[in-house]
Amino acid sequence: DAGVIQSPRHEVTEMGQEVTLRCKPISGHNSLFWYRQTMMRGLELLIYFNNNVPIDDSGMPEDRFSAKMPNASFSTLKIQPSEPRDSAVYFCASTGTDNYGYTFGSGTRLTVV
Amino acid sequence: TQLLEQSPQFLSIQEGENLTVYCNSSSVFSSLQWYRQEPGEGPVLLVTVVTGGEVKKLKRLTFQFGDARKDSSLHITAAQPGDTGLYLCAGEEAAGNKLTFGGGTRVLVKP
Repeated sequence: DAGVIQSPRHEVTEMGQEVTLRCKPISGHNSLFWYRQTMMRGLELLIYFNNNVPIDDSGMPEDRFSAKMPNASFSTLKIQPSEPRDSAVYFCASTGTDNYGYTFGSGTRLTVV
Repeated sequence: TQLLEQSPQFLSIQEGENLTVYCNSSSVFSSLQWYRQEPGEGPVLLVTVVTGGEVKKLKRLTFQFGDARKDSSLHITAAQPGDTGLYLCAGEEAAGNKLTFGGGTRVLVKP
C-alpha cells in the first residue's frame, strides 16, 4: 500500500483565495482525520470521519473551513477565504477497525501571504 | 477536552547517552500511543500501550503506561543520531478512536 496520500505537498496562495487540500486514505481504513500542525499549537484535530460520515468537527476553527468525504477513498479540506493565520502544515491520517494507531500522510504545507 | 502534557519540550544529548520523555494527563485514556516525526514528514507510530502498568520494548526504546492509565514514559538507551526527531504521545478517548496529542518533545542526539 502506498500509504496515506496527500496533495499538494506545498501550497502558496494569496489571502482571500480558496484552498483545497486532498487526501486518499489507506484502502480498507474506515476512519479519516484532518489535523493542523503549528509550532505554537502543535497537532490539532480539525475534523474526523467514520465510514465517510463526519463525527466531530468541533476543531474546525471557523466557517471558512469545510471538509467532505464523498467516498471511502477521498477527502477534501477546503478553506475559503484563506487568511495568513491559516498557514500551517495540514495532515490527513487514517485508521482501521483494529484501531492500531494512525497512519499519517506527508502533509500539505500551506502558506497564505 | 483531555489534555496531554509532555516534558521536556526539548532535549539535546550526546550519542550514547540515555534519555526519558514523559507524557502526563489528569485524565484516563483507554490507550496511549507514541509517534516519532521527522522534518517534512507525518508522525509515524512507534507503539501502542493499552494495559495499566504495561511495558513494551522496541530495540533501544522502552515504553511504559502508568498503572492508572494517565501517564506514560519513553526511555531511549544509548541514543544514536538516528533517534533525532519530534516524539509525540497521543491518548485515545474511551469512546471512538479519536486521539489527543501532546505538545511533543524535540530530541537532538549529537554525534
